[in-house]
Amino acid sequence: NAGVTQTPKFQVLKTGQSMTLQCAQDMNHNSMYWYRQDPGMGLRLIYYSASEGTTDKGEVPNGYNVSRLNKREFSLRLESAAPSQTSVYFCASSPGLARIRPGTGELFFGEGSRLTVL
Amino acid sequence: AQSVTQLDSQVPVFEEAPVELRCNYSSSVSVYLFWYVQYPNQGLQLLLKYLSGSTLVKGINGFEAEFNKSQTSFHLRKPSVHISDTAEYFCAARYNFNKFYFGSGTKLNVKP
Repeated sequence: NAGVTQTPKFQVLKTGQSMTLQCAQDMNHNSMYWYRQDPGMGLRLIYYSASEGTTDKGEVPNGYNVSRLNKREFSLRLESAAPSQTSVYFCASSPGLARIRPGTGELFFGEGSRLTVL
Repeated sequence: AQSVTQLDSQVPVFEEAPVELRCNYSSSVSVYLFWYVQYPNQGLQLLLKYLSGSTLVKGINGFEAEFNKSQTSFHLRKPSVHISDTAEYFCAARYNFNKFYFGSGTKLNVKP
């Protein structure tokens, strides 16, 4: 029961470097999300993909790009990392049904990726 | 814009005492509400959810929450906390079927 798997778990970058965070889910969910968590600010949505082939901006998309590679995988890319992007990043998935059915509807989270930009 | 507000950033409480963690959400025709718990260095786990039906929702580990539409609140309660409940708790709302918004979190510190 892998659920949502994120890699890498830890990464240190220098300002200006690029990197990609990978996320995969094995629950056949339609929707996938990337959040960042910063102290005192809760989780803020970066990008989400309601279904395969679509992506949309969240609250804090600047400096990030995403790719929904297939139904299972959703990657987050930092093209030119900045110290302000130091954070813990969480990938999540959800059934994302057009109409919520009882027993469904929540987000399932990965364990997080801790990124430090120096 | 939709939003979720958690009114307390930290809540200290003694073991076996009751606790209430407060959450307010911005009103919408269609909203679904959740509470998640995060233990140190871990991801978020679902505690409970309100999708429809009874306004009192029971979750795991003895937690429950009450959906109050008139006050746009979804407060989390537990009648008697344990040391193991020490964690950060997040309230979340799902709008428009696919967008989730989170509160800023409440750190529950249970003291012996």
